Amino acid sequence: DAGVIQSPRHEVTEMGQEVTLRCKPISGHNSLFWYRQTMMRGLELLIYFNNNVPIDDSGMPEDRFSAKMPNASFSTLKIQPSEPRDSAVYFCASSSRGPNYGYTFGSGTRLTVV
Amino acid sequence: AQRVTQPEKLLSVFKGAPVELKCNYSYSGSPELFWYVQYSRQRLQLLLRHISRESIKGFTADLNKGETSFHLKKPFAQEEDSAMYYCALAPITGFQKLVFGTGTRLLVSP
Repeated sequence: DAGVIQSPRHEVTEMGQEVTLRCKPISGHNSLFWYRQTMMRGLELLIYFNNNVPIDDSGMPEDRFSAKMPNASFSTLKIQPSEPRDSAVYFCASSSRGPNYGYTFGSGTRLTVV
Repeated sequence: AQRVTQPEKLLSVFKGAPVELKCNYSYSGSPELFWYVQYSRQRLQLLLRHISRESIKGFTADLNKGETSFHLKKPFAQEEDSAMYYCALAPITGFQKLVFGTGTRLLVSP
C-alpha cells in the first residue's frame, strides 16, 4: 500500500485565488481527516469524514474553506478565495477500526499564499 | 471535552540522558492514546499506542488513569531522536476523532 497520498506537495498561489488540495486515503480505511499545521497554532483538526459523510466540520475556519469526499478513495479541501494567513502545511490522514487500528498521515501539502 | 496537554514546548537533553515527554489528557471515558513523531519537514508517524504496550525505538509510554497521564520515556536519548513529538487521544468507541496536543520539540545534543 502506498499510504495516504496527497497532492500537490507544494503550492504557491496569489491571494484571492482558489486552491484545491487532494487526498487519497488508504484503501479500506473508513475515516478521513484534514489537519492544518502552523507554527503558531500547531495541529488543528479542520474536518473529518466517516464513510464519506462529514461528521464534524467545526474546525473549518471560515466559509472560504470547504471539503468534500465524493467516494471512499478521494477527498478535496478547497480554499476560495485564499489569503496569506492560510499559509500552512495541510495534512490528510485516514484510519480504520479493527486489528490494525491506527491513523496514517500523508506527506502534507505546503501551501504558501502570497 | 477532549483535551491533550503537553506542557513543554521544548525539551533539550544531551545524548545518553534519559528523556521524559509529558502528556496529560482530559476525557470523560476511556480513550485510546497515541504518540506521534514528526521529523524535520516530514509526515507524522505513529510512534506507539497504549493498547499495544509496545516499545518502539526504545520509547515506552505508560497510561496512568489516576493521573490521566501518558508520558513518553526513553532511558538513553540519541541524536536521531530529535524531532517533534505529539501526544494524541481518540475515543475507544464511536467516531474516531483524533485530538492532538500542541507538541514538544525534543532536541538531543551530542
